[in-house]
Amino acid sequence: EAQVTQNPRYLITVTGKKLTVTCSQNMNHEYMSWYRQDPGLGLRQIYYSMNVEVTDKGDVPEGYKVSRKEKRNFPLILESPSPNQTSLYFCASSSWGQQFFGPGTRLTVL
Amino acid sequence: AQSVTQLGSHVSVSEGALVLLRCNYSSSVPPYLFWYVQYPNQGLQLLLKYTTGATLVKGINGFEAEFKKSETSFHLTKPSAHMSDAAEYFCAVSVPSGNTPLVFGKGTRLSVIA
Repeated sequence: EAQVTQNPRYLITVTGKKLTVTCSQNMNHEYMSWYRQDPGLGLRQIYYSMNVEVTDKGDVPEGYKVSRKEKRNFPLILESPSPNQTSLYFCASSSWGQQFFGPGTRLTVL
Repeated sequence: AQSVTQLGSHVSVSEGALVLLRCNYSSSVPPYLFWYVQYPNQGLQLLLKYTTGATLVKGINGFEAEFKKSETSFHLTKPSAHMSDAAEYFCAVSVPSGNTPLVFGKGTRLSVIA
């Protein structure tokens, strides 16, 4: 089954404690991206990757890092999380504009 | 640059009534257009998409949308609302290319009243 998986689905952490949210897709897509969803703001793109070892900033990259060492995986890294990064995060992979979304990770930073 | 405007952050309809969710876009090139639905506590699911060809696009669950270039619109409709249609709906635009990002609207929450 074609899918995008994310882990963990829920995470509560404290300010400053590094964390990684994993994302994996099995569709051999070159393009992957991370979004955050906040009430009233819709989905905003954090980072995207057009292929292995090629990443670029989206609209709201501050406080986040990504890596793309292999095509299927695109982890999101928060080196020093802060409360304003409390949000719902979605990973997506796409082909010809159609994006396939993961189930989301709800992150709370205390 | 592209942008999407969804008119109305919240729309309420009665069960059985017409659903109309509005989306206007801005794009310097002929766009690809999408509607996604997000049910509570779930990810985003593609409802329908327009790429080329027929401007009236039919999607899942009885939804359809019409691409109107002259109005730069891509409104989503459904003739008769069901309770199960209550969700958040996102309109999105991209350029016709293999690897380009989607630009999303801020979303419209649809409530269906019994």
